[in-house]
Amino acid sequence: QLQLQESGPGLVKPSETLSLTCTVSGGSISSSNYYWGWIRQPPGKGLEWIGSIHYSGSTFYNPSLKSRVTISVDTSKNQFSLTLSSVTAADTSVYYCARRGDATYDYWGQGTLVTVSS
Amino acid sequence: DIQMTQSPSSLSASVGDRVTITCRASQSISNYLNWYQQKPGKAPKLLIYAASSFHSGVPSRFSGSGSGTDFTLTISTLQPEDFATYYCQQSYSSPYTFGQGTKLEIK
Repeated sequence: QLQLQESGPGLVKPSETLSLTCTVSGGSISSSNYYWGWIRQPPGKGLEWIGSIHYSGSTFYNPSLKSRVTISVDTSKNQFSLTLSSVTAADTSVYYCARRGDATYDYWGQGTLVTVSS
Repeated sequence: DIQMTQSPSSLSASVGDRVTITCRASQSISNYLNWYQQKPGKAPKLLIYAASSFHSGVPSRFSGSGSGTDFTLTISTLQPEDFATYYCQQSYSSPYTFGQGTKLEIK
């Protein structure tokens, strides 16, 4: 059974960089059929797609975040990562990693809350 | 960006009721429409993809329909475990936008 698990700091200071990693188990991140993505959800609000990456390195980003976002992949560790620079309180959210297959996100991590505060 | 608008934003219903949630896209997205269920403190779960295809393990009381700009999610006979928030998402073009959600509550 495919599983995804987010990891990283739960607290980030304003203007600093948020960094999260998603570890994939029960399947290979190097499958050509899938993209691997990040979605976030501010407390009590809706879902926002951040971006996604293919194991080949091909990426898609939400234009609203593109200037601050980088998604990378490490096939040797079966992981992909998110960095978001110059964070503000508006970036406080639960961050989910997920697999994109058949044009849909079919497997999700449990999510990790990242709070931006000094 | 393609805007996704769900209605209603919230809905009260009773166990056994038939419920329909609608999702409208700001432009045609063919059948690139997915539905997710989210319970408090949990990750969203995929219910329906490609507008009307069931994800593995989803009960048959859930169904989806539509194409182009107008889509519906129907729960034929509400069960206690169905009270949750439901989101539509378009996967036609990046950025893959979500609707604002429909919170389904017990009457």
